[in-house]
Amino acid sequence: ETGVTQSPTHLIKTRGQQVTLRCSSQSGHNTVSWYQQALGQGPQFIFQYYREEENGRGNFPPRFSGLQFPNYSSELNVNALELDDSALYLCASSSQTSGLAGGEQFFGPGTRLTVL
Amino acid sequence: AQSVTQLGSHVSVSEGALVLLRCNYSSSVPPYLFWYVQYPNQGLQLLLKYTTGATLVKGINGFEAEFKKSETSFHLTKPSAHMSDAAEYFCAVSGRAGGTSYGKLTFGQGTILTVHP
Repeated sequence: ETGVTQSPTHLIKTRGQQVTLRCSSQSGHNTVSWYQQALGQGPQFIFQYYREEENGRGNFPPRFSGLQFPNYSSELNVNALELDDSALYLCASSSQTSGLAGGEQFFGPGTRLTVL
Repeated sequence: AQSVTQLGSHVSVSEGALVLLRCNYSSSVPPYLFWYVQYPNQGLQLLLKYTTGATLVKGINGFEAEFKKSETSFHLTKPSAHMSDAAEYFCAVSGRAGGTSYGKLTFGQGTILTVHP
């Protein structure tokens, strides 16, 4: 069973640029959630994708957008990067159809984004 | 809206001592509750979860937590700390199955556990 993978592991961008982060979900999972973890803080929910549709969004501006593909992998896109976007971006996959799992999410190692 | 408060951003214990990490939540209905551990430069690993049933939940690496509805708490304990337990620990909640916040985690600020020899 392959776990959640994310690419790239590290990324450096400058203010105003755009970035795309990628996530491959764990085998058998149909739901991907993205979280932003700023230094010294807990992760914050950005949005979730289920069957290629956005299924809930946290308190993030529209310049944060995403996609989910038929194989359930996902992308997070951030436009017009700001210094405060510097963070660890975590992807988590789960099986939304398995209520017995309690919505348990399996996290990838994250992408460390630095905005200069 | 749900929220999570972890009391103590840093906890320091001696090897072999009891570990107690505190978590309180706020939710209109009892949520699902989770504890995750994060080692430096890594993602999050699930330690244990409470969804329904027995309120004392056992997890990996000897950790356990007890859901106390009356206190809206879900404190994490381990009887005897090991050096390898040094990490950051996050308490999280999500809505129950069928609700709009199901599967969407709200995290606390985290507690850094230091274990001294």
